[in-house]
Amino acid sequence: GDSVTQMEGPVTLSEEAFLTINCTYTATGYPSLFWYVQYPGEGLQLLLKATKADDKGSNKGFEATYRKETTSFHLEKGSVQVSDSAVYFCALSERRDTGRRALTFGSGTRLQVQP
Amino acid sequence: KAGVTQTPRYLIKTRGQQVTLSCSPISGHRSVSWYQQTPGQGLQFLFEYFSETQRNKGNFPGRFSGRQFSNSRSEMNVSTLELGDSALYLCASSLVGDYEQYFGPGTRLTVT
Repeated sequence: GDSVTQMEGPVTLSEEAFLTINCTYTATGYPSLFWYVQYPGEGLQLLLKATKADDKGSNKGFEATYRKETTSFHLEKGSVQVSDSAVYFCALSERRDTGRRALTFGSGTRLQVQP
Repeated sequence: KAGVTQTPRYLIKTRGQQVTLSCSPISGHRSVSWYQQTPGQGLQFLFEYFSETQRNKGNFPGRFSGRQFSNSRSEMNVSTLELGDSALYLCASSLVGDYEQYFGPGTRLTVT
């Protein structure tokens, strides 16, 4: 079945440092890929998405590129802020031709940004 | 536009009881999915509803069930609660034909 593997956290960075959170996936067909963020005590917020190979999703300074050849979707940000401290989840949708929307999530990576 | 709303936000139940959780999707969204989040198992898909029909179901026992109403609002029910059912239950909605899902704040269920 489909699966998503994320780097384990926590990741601790100083403010303005460069961030990379690795995400690789296994899926049949051509899934859509997503990054979600969860702040303490809250639900998940969609951060960015990519629906086909070589697509780059971006939002709030975060970027990720859908790499089919390496089955990866790494999250990057050039300069993190304390307010970016949260848990980040990589996820994929099922094969588009099924019409189903079930998301498969990675285990999450906690990011702590220190001032 | 209002986001996905879930009620109640917090719930404490006793083992053996049953519980019903409610979800109102974003206006215009007709697909609703439910997920369970626990520290041990992470985020797991429960089921998806569209047009009042269950379209997809995850690997959970039959004690977990759900339904969707004609206004797209959805409920999920867990019967004969077990301690392991303690979790954050998240509801997500999406537009027809779209794969982006928007999540509510969740219902925190504690089973004692």
